[in-house]
Amino acid sequence: SQQGEEDPQALSIQEGENATMNCSYKTSINNLQWYRQNSGRGLVHLILIRSNEREKHSGRLRVTLDTSKKSSSLLITASRAADTASYFCATEYYTGANSKLTFGKGITLSVRP
Amino acid sequence: DGGITQSPKYLFRKEGQNVTLSCEQNLNHDAMYWYRQDPGQGLRLIYYSQIVNDFQKGDIAEGYSVSREKKESFPLTVTSAQKNPTAFYLCASSISHQGAGYTFGSGTRLTVV
Repeated sequence: SQQGEEDPQALSIQEGENATMNCSYKTSINNLQWYRQNSGRGLVHLILIRSNEREKHSGRLRVTLDTSKKSSSLLITASRAADTASYFCATEYYTGANSKLTFGKGITLSVRP
Repeated sequence: DGGITQSPKYLFRKEGQNVTLSCEQNLNHDAMYWYRQDPGQGLRLIYYSQIVNDFQKGDIAEGYSVSREKKESFPLTVTSAQKNPTAFYLCASSISHQGAGYTFGSGTRLTVV
């Protein structure tokens, strides 16, 4: 079953605006990751936030994690046309040697020039 | 440059044929994964391998087989038992099986003709 559910399913903004994407999940996690996928290509890892972290930054990206609400958000500041892509959250949970990374269905972001 | 190479980029399969998708990495990663992506869907895990000569079934392993004879290589065979093989297949690797982001290949699009 897919754990992470992104919201909204699609987002269209003007270049220069900020884009906020949300992810909710149902069970305990060890970390949550965000990936980007350009059309017809593989996924690119953007950022990983561990369950004991609340906020993380990487360039124009800011990720928050609220384990009490089982939710995360990805903020892209000062968006560019090149940010147009699908964005996926993935939750990882591991016990012992076993681990499972489960992906959501993704958010389609369109940045208009 | 280090990375993951998937080949071919496009593959056409006739009914009843087995086909093999190639995945090679030069990142010295221990863990490798195969995912299937259908339109508008997230990624679903087919098989994964934490170490050479060992692999485990994912959520949708039926109709697929893998081998891990070398650290660098993790080929996926789509057998005739897979009734709906048309999809985008993504290979990934990570430095460890837990707590690390994944590096993805650029994918193979398989179509049944």
